[in-house]
Amino acid sequence: DQQVKQNSPSLSVQEGRISILNCDYTNSMFDYFLWYKKYPAEGPTFLISISSIKDKNEDGRFTVFLNKSAKHLSLHIVPSQPGDSAVYFCAATLRGGSEKLVFGKGTKLTVNP
Amino acid sequence: EPEVTQTPSHQVTQMGQEVILRCVPISNHLYFYWYRQILGQKVEFLVSFYNNEISEKSEIFDDQFSVERPDGSNFTLKIRSTKLEDSAMYFCASKDRASPYEQYFGPGTRLTVT
Repeated sequence: DQQVKQNSPSLSVQEGRISILNCDYTNSMFDYFLWYKKYPAEGPTFLISISSIKDKNEDGRFTVFLNKSAKHLSLHIVPSQPGDSAVYFCAATLRGGSEKLVFGKGTKLTVNP
Repeated sequence: EPEVTQTPSHQVTQMGQEVILRCVPISNHLYFYWYRQILGQKVEFLVSFYNNEISEKSEIFDDQFSVERPDGSNFTLKIRSTKLEDSAMYFCASKDRASPYEQYFGPGTRLTVT
């Protein structure tokens, strides 16, 4: 069951540059998308989200873009900082019901000083 | 800032034994979840709980699993007879109506079944 896919297991960028993390989904019923960040030995931490009625949401250095026709979303981090080094999970959910989250496998981001 | 807490942080148990994983969700939250992550795999939904009953459960959540909210603060996951394949990180999460989709996760319990 690969409803949410993150095809890049890892990404390495230089401090100050842009990090772009990608996510694809197959279930067109998903109507809300979230990004979580996870450090080792900690639980996922909510980062930013976007509703399916929008195509962009921005919060400080973090911007999420949604392309519904392509069933694709991306997280942009500008500028990247060494403290951003973590595993980033894309998740999707459906309005109504339990609103469980369906996660991708994650992308490990390393920001080099 | 309010946070979800989980105990213990690490539980080692023998196959066939019962374990109870404990969670204290954020106090004004109404929706509660358990997820697990087997090493190297994705975070998977187990069960959701609202208004003192299960609202949805996954195929993983079979008769060996149960959840309970025994009082106004704790939310527990019980595995009646553990199997080797139950070894994983178990995460509790909660959310409220004000942020309808954002779930807040605890630090997890690492369960090791030997």
